[in-house]
Amino acid sequence: DSGVTQTPKHLITATGQRVTLRCSPRSGDLSVYWYQQSLDQGLQFLIQYYNGEERAKGNILERFSAQQFPDLHSELNLSSLELGDSALYFCASSPRPLGNTQYFGPGTRLTVL
Amino acid sequence: SQQGEEDPQALSIQEGENATMNCSYKTSINNLQWYRQNSGRGLVHLILIRSNEREKHSGRLRVTLDTSKKSSSLLITASRAADTASYFCATDYYSGGGADGLTFGKGTHLIIQP
Repeated sequence: DSGVTQTPKHLITATGQRVTLRCSPRSGDLSVYWYQQSLDQGLQFLIQYYNGEERAKGNILERFSAQQFPDLHSELNLSSLELGDSALYFCASSPRPLGNTQYFGPGTRLTVL
Repeated sequence: SQQGEEDPQALSIQEGENATMNCSYKTSINNLQWYRQNSGRGLVHLILIRSNEREKHSGRLRVTLDTSKKSSSLLITASRAADTASYFCATDYYSGGGADGLTFGKGTHLIIQP
């Protein structure tokens, strides 16, 4: 158990809908990362937050957004969902923003029908 | 962008044998990490090696890093059935004043036959 929690575990929804994925980092970790894992794209970095501020952006679509709250939990919002958004979404956390081991949560499996 | 590429894509060995996986990347890095993922589950961190290190050990794991060849290898000795999983290398790179997330390769799927 990494200490990172993600909810929900599974999410099934329809195209065009909007969903919110939630992540609670390990106690004491200030940095949160979001990743998407799909069969064709592999593991892709989406976005990083550190102590409430956006720190780095990866291959995140404009339809996706995220935020980190004062209690350090983070939410990833996915809107106007398409079939291709079906994937595993992982959250990871680390104590600092640079050069650290990242601890991954169990993931949220999103299925868009 | 940087990309770690693992080789081989899949590896099947007998329990007790050693397993070696390789990773190549494209540009300079600060750190390289190896992660394990059991089917459809979260990634588990195995080991981090910094760019100024050449070799690191952790239990049955041995990682080497050759920055001149932009490559790394992960050796698992005395493999066990529980080692069956996908193994990913991940690199991180600091651009300007910011930081990028980890860049993962596509992984090596390791199967340990009992």
